[in-house]
Amino acid sequence: KAGVTQTPRYLIKTRGQQVTLSCSPISGHRSVSWYQQTPGQGLQFLFEYFSETQRNKGNFPGRFSGRQFSNSRSEMNVSTLELGDSALYLCASTHGRGGPTGELFFGEGSRLTVL
Amino acid sequence: TQLLEQSPQFLSIQEGENLTVYCNSSSVFSSLQWYRQEPGEGPVLLVTVVTGGEVKKLKRLTFQFGDARKDSSLHITAAQPGDTGLYLCAGAGLWSGGSNYKLTFGKGTLLTVNP
Repeated sequence: KAGVTQTPRYLIKTRGQQVTLSCSPISGHRSVSWYQQTPGQGLQFLFEYFSETQRNKGNFPGRFSGRQFSNSRSEMNVSTLELGDSALYLCASTHGRGGPTGELFFGEGSRLTVL
Repeated sequence: TQLLEQSPQFLSIQEGENLTVYCNSSSVFSSLQWYRQEPGEGPVLLVTVVTGGEVKKLKRLTFQFGDARKDSSLHITAAQPGDTGLYLCAGAGLWSGGSNYKLTFGKGTLLTVNP
C-alpha cells in the first residue's frame, strides 16, 4: 500500500511569510503526527491529530498550527516565519489506537528553508 | 519531562567492525523503539522492545532493553556500508493525565560505515 506522502518536498520562504505543508497518511490510518527535525534539537513533537481533533500538542509557539480533514489528510501551517524555523518537517501516521508499541510510519519530509 | 540521551552522537567506522550505540534516560518507558533514517528519507522502525531485559535480534543488529526500562543499546556486528544512517531511539510514555502514549525521541547517532 502507498506510504505517507508529504508535499512539497522542498520550499524556500523569507522571514515573515507563512507556509502550509500537507500530509496524506497511509490508507486506514487515523492518526497523524508532525515533527520538526533540526541538527541541534533532533526530532521534536509538534502535534498529533486523530479523527480531525488535536489529541496532543508539543511545546511550540502558537505560530505553529495544524488541522486534519475527514479523509485523515493533515496540514500544518507556520505563520510569521523566523530563521529558526528552517528544518525538516516530518509527518507520521499510525492507526491511532494509542498503545505503547504502535509503529510510526514517516513520510520523506518537507525541507523548509527560511531566508 | 522525559529525555533520551544517545551516545555517541557521531560514529565513523570501517566495514567489518562492530559497534554499540546507547540510549539512556532517567525515566521509565513502557516500550522503546529504534528507528533508522537514511539521507533524504523519513525514519523507519527497526524494532520495538517492551519487557525489561528483553533482547531482540534483527540479522546483524542486536537490541537490548535495560532491566529497569530506562535505557537501551543497539549492537551491530560486522557493519556494512548499507548500515550507514541516523539511528534514533524513541521511548513511549503516557501523556500527563492522558490515556494514550507519546514517543520521545533521542537526538540520534549518526553512523558512517566506510568501505
